[in-house]
Amino acid sequence: NAGVTQTPKFQVLKTGQSMTLQCAQDMNHNSMYWYRQDPGMGLRLIYYSASEGTTDKGEVPNGYNVSRLNKREFSLRLESAAPSQTSVYFCASRSYASSSYGYTFGSGTRLTVV
Amino acid sequence: GQQVMQIPQYQHVQEGEDFTTYCNSSTTLSNIQWYKQRPGGHPVFLIQLVKSGEVKKQKRLTFQFGEAKKNSSLHITATQTTDVGTYFCAGLNSGGSNYKLTFGKGTLLTVNP
Repeated sequence: NAGVTQTPKFQVLKTGQSMTLQCAQDMNHNSMYWYRQDPGMGLRLIYYSASEGTTDKGEVPNGYNVSRLNKREFSLRLESAAPSQTSVYFCASRSYASSSYGYTFGSGTRLTVV
Repeated sequence: GQQVMQIPQYQHVQEGEDFTTYCNSSTTLSNIQWYKQRPGGHPVFLIQLVKSGEVKKQKRLTFQFGEAKKNSSLHITATQTTDVGTYFCAGLNSGGSNYKLTFGKGTLLTVNP
């Protein structure tokens, strides 16, 4: 089925290690987003890409970098992981051509930094 | 910056009881969206409200957008165990970026069968 695919689903990192979270959508959506979800904090925007070739900071960008590789793919990189980055990470996409304008979320990456 | 407050944080009901969650924004919104997240799952889009005073229904769910476009509510009639999950509102700031939704912290609904 069409949707947003995130890899990996689970990951354990040691403090200081780096990793890239991958996200791909096959719905021809223009905008893509990275959120983190922590207990009691709701969903907080890390970075977003309004369209291919552009990226912008969200609410909590420190410690992260992103790459909009093409229209389909939007990756999130942690250069030097810290325990404070333990969280569930969701990628989402959105099309402005759709009448509903809702976000489609991936199934998430559960990251633990020890 | 824009803040979206959602209450209550938690709600436990008996199956068959009604449930309401409220969302309030510090700024006027151009639209508001509602999402449901099942335990262990990801948020799933439910609906978008755009017009002042708008009311939309989806079976037992009723969504309202306030006249001033700064508040919204989701009401579930006769809850079922399948309604369990966290309900989030998310607002798009009027006059702001057209790309960034601000999410409330959500209301966790549990239903006792």
